Amino acid sequence: GAVVSQHPSWVICKSGTSVKIECRSLDFQATTMFWYRQFPKQSLMLMATSNEGSKATYEQGVEKDKFLINHASLTLSTLTVTSAHPEDSSFYICSALGQGQHEQYFGPGTRLTVT
Amino acid sequence: AQSVTQPDIHITVSEGASLELRCNYSYGATPYLFWYVQSPGQGLQLLLKYFSGDTLVQGIKGFEAEFKRSQSSFNLRKPSVHWSDAAEYFCAVVEGQAGTALIFGKGTTLSVSS
Repeated sequence: GAVVSQHPSWVICKSGTSVKIECRSLDFQATTMFWYRQFPKQSLMLMATSNEGSKATYEQGVEKDKFLINHASLTLSTLTVTSAHPEDSSFYICSALGQGQHEQYFGPGTRLTVT
Repeated sequence: AQSVTQPDIHITVSEGASLELRCNYSYGATPYLFWYVQSPGQGLQLLLKYFSGDTLVQGIKGFEAEFKRSQSSFNLRKPSVHWSDAAEYFCAVVEGQAGTALIFGKGTTLSVSS
């Protein structure tokens, strides 16, 4: 099956700093990538949808200036959490979708802890 | 708005017993349906999916699910649960055209007792 990687798998940062998370589709071209956030013991909440070469579409309530998403190539999308605060601590999961497909392939997730 | 409902927040099953996890969706047309499993601190693993055709689909790890249009349901089943099946299970739906995001249910936590 298709493989999606995320880096880093976990990161600890200080409040006020920025953190970048990478999501890569390793063996297929991902025309669309999604970023989800998951709090402990909760479901996945869609943050944004990014199409290669276009600006990301953010879900209601997600601050686009805080969560910067870039999808510059068909195999890479990045999520940058700017000026991170402890409430941004969460599990961030990306998924990737090929052209005309309905099945998304998920990355293993990134655990962000802001101290 | 489209939604996915998993009525059971937490289920405990004895090892070796059968399992059924419920999932209902609200969507007019036939959606694309998925079941995922997540172990603590891990990512999602696809158990099975339904796009069209035979309404009983087989997945990995001995799981199966049945799409029932009349009940808007896609329940997950396993005839004999193993202790390693303890995890969080999510039902998810893709609506409409390709390229749209998954809508997840809130999840069901499965505990397995010995």
